[in-house]
Amino acid sequence: AQKITQTQPGMFVQEKEAVTLDCTYDTSDPSYGLFWYKQPSSGEMIFLIYQGSYDQQNATEGRYSLNFQKARKSANLVISASQLGDSAMYFCAMRELTNFGNEKLTFGTGTRLTIIP
Amino acid sequence: DVKVTQSSRYLVKRTGEKVFLECVQDMDHENMFWYRQDPGLGLRLIYFSYDVKMKEKGDIPEGYSVSREKKERFSLILESASTNQTSMYLCASSRRTLQTYEQYFGPGTRLTVT
Repeated sequence: AQKITQTQPGMFVQEKEAVTLDCTYDTSDPSYGLFWYKQPSSGEMIFLIYQGSYDQQNATEGRYSLNFQKARKSANLVISASQLGDSAMYFCAMRELTNFGNEKLTFGTGTRLTIIP
Repeated sequence: DVKVTQSSRYLVKRTGEKVFLECVQDMDHENMFWYRQDPGLGLRLIYFSYDVKMKEKGDIPEGYSVSREKKERFSLILESASTNQTSMYLCASSRRTLQTYEQYFGPGTRLTVT
């Protein structure tokens, strides 16, 4: 079973509109963390935002916020007032422990966001 | 400014060749990771290292090996390259714990095996 699921392969959004990118996860570990990364066409991976499983409030970083619904196991990324520079691939990832107690990230398949002028 | 560098942006190799991909970080991070990225599959973890000379298999280790002799350097080795290893390879590093601490990524190496 997929541990991180991103169901939107691609999205087109009008400039200045808000956009929500979906992410659901699957884990039985009570301690975990969720990350969102942006990958522009240049290829570099840019960290956007982090949410810990015990954090009471939704994480926010500038125009980015994470809509964390623990019971539904979802961690959607919300981008307010989208800009042309937001066009990129977006990945959701989950921190989890390996069988040997080390930490790793598991990534989803990504959503390609295109902002239309 | 923190940095993860990879030895090549583009690499073309022949089937059966031994291929070395090098990654260096200057942040004194304990953890280093190798991923491959393919369209529609996202990033998949090949191997990672949590200390010098220590490693752990990721989700797709078959056909790859790694070496970490120094803290700042992590090498991915394709013992006998095959065409199905044509991909984008991304290196990353992080502090020992990922709790609130993100991974920092290199620019990637696009490997083509012909």
